[in-house]
Amino acid sequence: DTGVSQDPRHKITKRGQNVTFRCDPISEHNRLYWYRQTLGQGPEFLTYFQNEAQLEKSRLLSDRFSAERPKGSFSTLEIQRTEQGDSAMYLCASSPPGLAGSETQYFGPGTRLLVL
Amino acid sequence: DQQVKQNSPSLSVQEGRISILNCDYTNSMFDYFLWYKKYPAEGPTFLISISSIKDKNEDGRFTVFLNKSAKHLSLHIVPSQPGDSAVYFCAASSGGNQFYFGTGTSLTVIP
Repeated sequence: DTGVSQDPRHKITKRGQNVTFRCDPISEHNRLYWYRQTLGQGPEFLTYFQNEAQLEKSRLLSDRFSAERPKGSFSTLEIQRTEQGDSAMYLCASSPPGLAGSETQYFGPGTRLLVL
Repeated sequence: DQQVKQNSPSLSVQEGRISILNCDYTNSMFDYFLWYKKYPAEGPTFLISISSIKDKNEDGRFTVFLNKSAKHLSLHIVPSQPGDSAVYFCAASSGGNQFYFGTGTSLTVIP
């Protein structure tokens, strides 16, 4: 296993279109996180899964965003009716079982989204 | 509301000297802190962490210091190497699953 992978690496879409990103975590990691990073900012938490359960979701997350992890392995993040403000790097991270809030997260390379 | 702040967007250091990267936080409930390094076109990579029960943690050339009363942590890199040139993020959590990241400091180590 070579780490967390994300697909696609780059996505260009037109405003109003839907996009879906995929994240494959490290195989034995039961925790999965999605972050968004814009230019000049640090990663911003979007949502968290433990196995297949979505346990936390940022209050800043628009209803146009939805994430799933149906079998507790890979996860998808969908953005509906994209807006130009959604342009960002979307990062996925995973971590192994352990004490909440003290685990090390392993990040994927990210999916860079550009909404025209 | 930026709960974790890195007030220096960039830092340049001569090779072999010490690099000191700073981070301040506002939430007194934070009890676990991490530093990540990020190269262009890659995701952040974990570097070192510290729990609030400690005030120092060391791993090779990297040492993190935590001053809880000042709500301040710092990362020391000694000696600095050109390969250390990257963006460094500090992050914090309060025991839950939500981690808060700073805006990053871009370190350039000059050969």
